[in-house]
Amino acid sequence: EAGVAQSPRYKIIEKRQSVAFWCNPISGHATLYWYQQILGQGPKLLIQFQNNGVVDDSQLPKDRFSAERLKGVDSTLKIQPAKLEDSAVYLCASSSTVGGANEKLFFGSGTQLSVL
Amino acid sequence: DAKTTQPPSMDCAEGRAANLPCNHSTISGNEYVYWYRQIHSQGPQYIIHGLKNNETNEMASLIITEDRKSSTLILPHATLRDTAVYYCIVRVGQNNRKLIWGLGTSLAVNP
Repeated sequence: EAGVAQSPRYKIIEKRQSVAFWCNPISGHATLYWYQQILGQGPKLLIQFQNNGVVDDSQLPKDRFSAERLKGVDSTLKIQPAKLEDSAVYLCASSSTVGGANEKLFFGSGTQLSVL
Repeated sequence: DAKTTQPPSMDCAEGRAANLPCNHSTISGNEYVYWYRQIHSQGPQYIIHGLKNNETNEMASLIITEDRKSSTLILPHATLRDTAVYYCIVRVGQNNRKLIWGLGTSLAVNP
């Protein structure tokens, strides 16, 4: 089966610019996650969707980050305006269940963002 | 904060078993232990998970101590392609919803 698709693979922008990342989850997966991974650290959850509804966005910096999942399939994560500390890999993951003890996440390869 | 502690790095010879330890001394009775790995420039990949019994699948074995305060991931015959960062994670929150990721163990498999 096709995996989680993300684009672009790399993005370089200057601070204060805007950027958007796109994710297409595995077909039929109801749950979609966006994670931020700073170099040398583990992934940090930004937002979790179930279908097109937000389950958890407690760690999303809402003054500059936004995300949507229209129609419960593809998702877009936007940063506006970007700061130097936003330089990281942005990972999208999907699963066929909603949390729970046996949930397995499937990750895309991520988008590596460099803010200059 | 992550509920697990792992050694920052380990080495293993190709063909030998890799035993990766994880400490989770504050784990609660209904919290699962998960293992993921991340090969360079790729997203994390699920390996295995368990509650209290030992588990085995095609990738690895998971040994959880009886008091559940620690566990060991075993790769029985490590290959060069197993070189990766291995994350031990305790699933927390209502309905075991959240994965809180730590820093992981960087495993180098040497020829």
